[in-house]
Amino acid sequence: GAVVSQHPSRVICKSGTSVKIECRSLDFQATTMFWYRQFPKKSLMLMATSNEGSKATYEQGVEKDKFLINHASLTLSTLTVTSAHPEDSSFYICSARGDRRNYGYTFGSGTRLTVV
Amino acid sequence: GENVEQHPSTLSVQEGDSAVIKCTYSDSASNYFPWYKQELGKGPQLIIDIRSNVGEKKDQRIAVTLNKTAKHFSLHITETQPEDSAVYFCAASIRGGYQKVTFGTGTKLQVIP
Repeated sequence: GAVVSQHPSRVICKSGTSVKIECRSLDFQATTMFWYRQFPKKSLMLMATSNEGSKATYEQGVEKDKFLINHASLTLSTLTVTSAHPEDSSFYICSARGDRRNYGYTFGSGTRLTVV
Repeated sequence: GENVEQHPSTLSVQEGDSAVIKCTYSDSASNYFPWYKQELGKGPQLIIDIRSNVGEKKDQRIAVTLNKTAKHFSLHITETQPEDSAVYFCAASIRGGYQKVTFGTGTKLQVIP
């Protein structure tokens, strides 16, 4: 089945620094990748949608200059949290979608970001 | 845009009993409805999905039903086991293109041994 690898699983960084999270589709080509943020005991909040080779589409209220998304290939998308602040601490999850005939979305295992 | 409501937010059942989680959606154009199981500290895992051209789908102890007219869909877990304990999310999406998935608010299921 489709596998999405997300790395790192946990990261602690200092305020003001930047953190990069990677999302890779291991056995399929991900034409579209989605980045979510999840607060404790809450549902997944879509941050942005990225299509390979084009600029990401950000949801309302999500700062595109703070959350940089790059989808440079059909198997890799990255989310960079720039100038991180403690309020950016959260669980970030990517998901990838491949073949149009399969409407399924495969999720990564998530990244727990803690900004100190 | 699409709005997905999910009930209940928490559910406790005795091992061996059945669990039912219900969702409603607002956009009649939605035609793909996946269900995800999320364990603590992990990403969601697809457990079953249904497309709008069928009313019911079953996979061992898990079944999903869809009522397009009422815009309702439900997850049924029979013979629950402690390892079924997790947070379950329903979702709705529209076929084609690069459509995003709209998630429900989640149900925390606890199966009591």
